[in-house]
Amino acid sequence: DTAVSQTPKYLVTQMGNDKSIKCEQNLGHDTMYWYKQDSKKFLKIMFSYNNKELIINETVPNRFSPKSPDKAHLNLHINSLELGDSAVYFCASSHNQGSSYNEQFFGPGTRLTVL
Amino acid sequence: AQSVSQHNHHVILSEAASLELGCNYSYGGTVNLFWYVQYPGQHLQLLLKYFSGDPLVKGIKGFEAEFIKSKFSFNLRKPSVQWSDTAEYFCAVRGTYKYIFGTGTRLKVLA
Repeated sequence: DTAVSQTPKYLVTQMGNDKSIKCEQNLGHDTMYWYKQDSKKFLKIMFSYNNKELIINETVPNRFSPKSPDKAHLNLHINSLELGDSAVYFCASSHNQGSSYNEQFFGPGTRLTVL
Repeated sequence: AQSVSQHNHHVILSEAASLELGCNYSYGGTVNLFWYVQYPGQHLQLLLKYFSGDPLVKGIKGFEAEFIKSKFSFNLRKPSVQWSDTAEYFCAVRGTYKYIFGTGTRLKVLA
């Protein structure tokens, strides 16, 4: 009954490789997000999609490309991985259409380590 | 500009001590405020939220927060902390399709 799920949980890869992280939510939410949490626990929004449409792109390098095939999925593809991409990536979702109860629900995170 | 400030970066308390974590925000629209907790190695979970009405909000695990509009603050409190409250705490404000998080406060409770 996981609300927001991410795969994989851990990802270890070499510099220069391309990798993808998948996210799925079964809450019926219309908005999904990707966050990057660095080693100091600072949580930085990367992207936000509402009804499959990109609405927030926070000065993230072009190597990061989100894709939302439907409202329940938001995947993150990263090209040419760099050491600085090592972090925990969290997916989240919320409902943003006229609802008062629109807190975000977070996935378990994907710990990416670039060697 | 929208922003959230958490002034306490690291807090160390003994069990049964009282807790107050500061949060100040800057946002011009209708304010929706949140406190999230992240236990070691886990994802963020909602502790409590404020949308409107009573400015004193009660959350899970004995936490509460008070919204003071004149001070742009939403401080988190707990009268008596437990060892299991050791975690990272994040204050957040909701903007349009965007949530702005503070830098977090790391709480360590000594048994």
